[in-house]
Amino acid sequence: DQQVKQNSPSLSVQEGRISILNCDYTNSMFDYFLWYKKYPAEGPTFLISISSIKDKNEDGRFTVFLNKSAKHLSLHIVPSQPGDSAVYFCAASIDSWGKLQFGAGTQVVVTP
Amino acid sequence: EAQVTQNPRYLITVTGKKLTVTCSQNMNHEYMSWYRQDPGLGLRQIYYSMNVEVTDKGDVPEGYKVSRKEKRNFPLILESPSPNQTSLYFCASMSSLAGGNEQFFGPGTRLTVL
Repeated sequence: DQQVKQNSPSLSVQEGRISILNCDYTNSMFDYFLWYKKYPAEGPTFLISISSIKDKNEDGRFTVFLNKSAKHLSLHIVPSQPGDSAVYFCAASIDSWGKLQFGAGTQVVVTP
Repeated sequence: EAQVTQNPRYLITVTGKKLTVTCSQNMNHEYMSWYRQDPGLGLRQIYYSMNVEVTDKGDVPEGYKVSRKEKRNFPLILESPSPNQTSLYFCASMSSLAGGNEQFFGPGTRLTVL
């Protein structure tokens, strides 16, 4: 049973607009949440993370929001650029020692 | 350049023929892990290693073996591959000192078992 769920397999957004990716989890013990980005024929690359003691973390165009009561997190990309077209994976772990649970991924397509 | 390398990148084999996928990292990371990616399931952890000679099962270890004799290498062994092991495999490494769970992934190995 998947503990991390990304219910939108795909998202299409216009260049310059905001992309919002959503992720839900079921395990209340999760303490760290991460987003990875993956291009075809490459491995995932780390994008941004947040620990459970925070509700927001920002890095340039990328912001992750965490709502622990709803067991929900989201990734905002503003403004979206063509190079953001990729698959985005949400991941969570109970501690900082590497055992990650991944969602199924969301394919983002940024159109001109 | 800091990186995780995997070989081979593509492999087609037949049921029952033993194979090894190699993984090497040049970042002196203590932690290494293997994942498989399947459609609709995301990445699932197969095995991980906290350091040399220390390995443990992940969520889907059946049919796989690993070893960690050196810090930089973490090979994945399929003793008797079966078609349900057809998948995209990723190796990852992480510094245990850095914390935060930021793992560095290799480019992937696409395995097909006929």
